[in-house]
Amino acid sequence: NAGVTQTPKFQVLKTGQSMTLQCAQDMNHEYMSWYRQDPGMGLRLIHYSVGAGITDQGEVPNGYNVSRSTTEDFPLRLLSAAPSQTSVYFCASTQGVGYTFGSGTRLTVV
Amino acid sequence: GQSLEQPSEVTAVEGAIVQINCTYQTSGFYGLSWYQQHDGGAPTFLSYNALDGLEETGRFSSFLSRSDSYGYLLLQELQMKDSASYFCAVKETTDSWGKFQFGAGTQVVVTP
Repeated sequence: NAGVTQTPKFQVLKTGQSMTLQCAQDMNHEYMSWYRQDPGMGLRLIHYSVGAGITDQGEVPNGYNVSRSTTEDFPLRLLSAAPSQTSVYFCASTQGVGYTFGSGTRLTVV
Repeated sequence: GQSLEQPSEVTAVEGAIVQINCTYQTSGFYGLSWYQQHDGGAPTFLSYNALDGLEETGRFSSFLSRSDSYGYLLLQELQMKDSASYFCAVKETTDSWGKFQFGAGTQVVVTP
């Protein structure tokens, strides 16, 4: 049972480049979320989804897009990378109560 | 404004008891979760309290007082492997388990 799988684990981007962070879960969870983690700031919610075809913004959505075409997949797109988006990104899923997190993507924007 | 307050760091010796407090001020409140995160790792779920009182799971217990907007995580019989960051998180809406607000985390350092 893989749980939540995130790819890539590490990425370096140049300012202005775009990319997609992949997230897939095999637990048939209804809810999926993307968080970013910066030193001393905990986890901040970027976007979340309550089911296939339904997404909503979190606390820090600017510069990011998401889609949820299937229950399993919830990709996060960076439209035009900026140094302020340097962070560790976690995808998480839940069917209620507790999240299962992916192993994270460490993104550096130069 | 919305906020969750936790101490930034707590240090204790092996075998001791540590209590990590979390006070919250959020737009809505439907429950309080706790997560553990080791350096370089992903957060892992520890507990969830929706009602007032104490929930015990092995060496870890979690408490909630909704009237005081306060909760705590109690770590007993501390072990070296308990050295990690601990985050409280509030479920703000009744209709979505996908939307939690996290505190900044408490670094627990366990010494021999």
